[in-house]
Amino acid sequence: DTEVTQTPKHLVMGMTNKKSLKCEQHMGHRAMYWYKQKAKKPPELMFVYSYEKLSINESVPSRFSPECPNSSLLNLHLHALQPEDSALYLCASSQDASDRNYGYTFGSGTRLTVV
Amino acid sequence: GEDVEQSLFLSVREGDSSVINCTYTDSSSTYLYWYKQEPGAGLQLLTYIFSNMDMKQDQRLTVLLNKKDKHLSLRIADTQTGDSAIYFCAETTNSGYSTLTFGKGTMLLVSP
Repeated sequence: DTEVTQTPKHLVMGMTNKKSLKCEQHMGHRAMYWYKQKAKKPPELMFVYSYEKLSINESVPSRFSPECPNSSLLNLHLHALQPEDSALYLCASSQDASDRNYGYTFGSGTRLTVV
Repeated sequence: GEDVEQSLFLSVREGDSSVINCTYTDSSSTYLYWYKQEPGAGLQLLTYIFSNMDMKQDQRLTVLLNKKDKHLSLRIADTQTGDSAIYFCAETTNSGYSTLTFGKGTMLLVSP
């Protein structure tokens, strides 16, 4: 299995809702990442998990709450989002957080719309 | 700080070669990558090059690196309509975590 699987593919939520994005990989990678991508923009790093511990938080608002229950799974819990949070949320993984040899493996993303 | 620049748009005819350019500012960049993103999809790693290399070839793809000018290019030979996508250049430094800094992306449009 050489994929990063993200669910759901599309999500529409209201500003008072609570929802979660899920990301799964079975490649034995020990680093996992959340990126946010607005339309016609490059991906921007949100969080880095290394060996299931949060290593980098790029000053992301607390309405985004990441969780890494085990080495294969990464969640992003969403609460009280704003319409400007609408974007493509990409999950990625790599061998470990210092590995540079092969880049990242990205999932296909969750298209989030906040109404 | 890190900054990666790309031209925003390139249009070519099917069968021609495409050359997508990228410049970066961080002299400690040691790994440089090219990713492809098709509409509505995630990013696919196409190829990468280490900073101690000048060139890397992988089937239709050729990456050239000019470290002195901090210039990276991706050449796609015999471009096909399926190559139409956004291409992102990305770099990472040799210390700490391998977080990627992406350029703004070049939209490649291949016409029949």
